[in-house]
Amino acid sequence: AQSVAQPEDQVNVAEGNPLTVKCTYSVSGNPYLFWYVQYPNRGLQFLLKYITGDNLVKGSYGFEAEFNKSQTSFHLKKPSALVSDSALYFCAVRDMGAYKYIFGTGTRLKVLA
Amino acid sequence: GAGVSQSPSNKVTEKGKDVELRCDPISGHTALYWYRQSLGQGLEFLIYFQGNSAPDKSGLPSDRFSAERTGGSVSTLTIQRTQQEDSAVYLCASSLGFRAGASNYGYTFGSGTRLTVV
Repeated sequence: AQSVAQPEDQVNVAEGNPLTVKCTYSVSGNPYLFWYVQYPNRGLQFLLKYITGDNLVKGSYGFEAEFNKSQTSFHLKKPSALVSDSALYFCAVRDMGAYKYIFGTGTRLKVLA
Repeated sequence: GAGVSQSPSNKVTEKGKDVELRCDPISGHTALYWYRQSLGQGLEFLIYFQGNSAPDKSGLPSDRFSAERTGGSVSTLTIQRTQQEDSAVYLCASSLGFRAGASNYGYTFGSGTRLTVV
């Protein structure tokens, strides 16, 4: 069965410092991996996805994520955090033959000024 | 429309009452999904529509939950005899469609309906 784990409920980082939000996954075949962000009272917004190709994927707002097949991880990163990056981040996986996402429980990122 | 629209944005209802939540997807999006976001539970899949039919209803928690979609557009999620455990944010998403084996399209989510059952 497919699953996604986000081991941290909350991540705190100082503005200007690099940030990492962790995600590990379990799927039976080749995964499609996604990151979404949710700002207060807003729907989820797509950040980036990994389908195939380069392991380092670049997305919106300066975010990037690294696909690591051996560690079954897809951690979200940004070199320099902004206070406006504070939000709830969801990792999701979709099997190649599936139409629905399996989401992690979310990680709340707090960037401190 | 320009985005996925959900109404109402907030709903407070008494236990035992029925509620209807509405989703207006992006024009032309044939696939529509309902998810539920509960505190600490992540996003839970409820139902998937392709056009007006629902090939996957496996996530609906009980027979108190039902959903329909008409004209390949607007969808309504109905919860009958609401219970306190139904309190959550209900999110709707739409996409251009699904093709088996393809990378497919990402979802566009609405802002959700926050349901509180008191």
